[in-house]
Amino acid sequence: GENVEQHPSTLSVQEGDSAVIKCTYSDSASNYFPWYKQELGKGPQLIIDIRSNVGEKKDQRIAVTLNKTAKHFSLHITETQPEDSAVYFCAASKNTNAGKSTFGDGTTLTVKP
Amino acid sequence: KAGVTQTPRYLIKTRGQQVTLSCSPISGHRSVSWYQQTPGQGLQFLFEYFSETQRNKGNFPGRFSGRQFSNSRSEMNVSTLELGDSALYLCASSAGNSYNEQFFGPGTRLTVL
Repeated sequence: GENVEQHPSTLSVQEGDSAVIKCTYSDSASNYFPWYKQELGKGPQLIIDIRSNVGEKKDQRIAVTLNKTAKHFSLHITETQPEDSAVYFCAASKNTNAGKSTFGDGTTLTVKP
Repeated sequence: KAGVTQTPRYLIKTRGQQVTLSCSPISGHRSVSWYQQTPGQGLQFLFEYFSETQRNKGNFPGRFSGRQFSNSRSEMNVSTLELGDSALYLCASSAGNSYNEQFFGPGTRLTVL
């Protein structure tokens, strides 16, 4: 089955700096890669996603890149703010199994004011 | 649009008991997926229901079961509870077609004593 590895497990940055989280996946048939932000006491919230026919997607301060050949994708957050502090998860799934996602282990991001 | 709701939010049970958790998806969504989240294992896929049928299943024992009703609401049941079943149980709602976006509820925190 699919396996998703996520690095780093913890990340601490100064406010205003950039943060990068990386994930690799094993199943070349995976074609949908979402990123979630989970705050304490809440469920994961979808923040951005990318499909395999696209190499990069940007939404304000957040961007995701995908390298299908290398089977890895990354989340980039620019101009970080304290409210960006949370646990971030990457995931992978296929159109044929739309409701089944495999998640990375999460990255705890701390943005210091 | 109302989000995904899960009830109850917190539950305390003892070993050997059984428990039923409920999830109401976003209006119009036909797919409900269930995940178990623990500090050690991360987010693990349990199963997905689409139009009242189980469409995908993860690698959990038969003590974990679920069902979906005609209004797309879903329940999951865990029988003969074990200490290791203590976790946050999350449900995710999606349209269930080739668009994979999943929207998570706040989860049910189950503690088994």
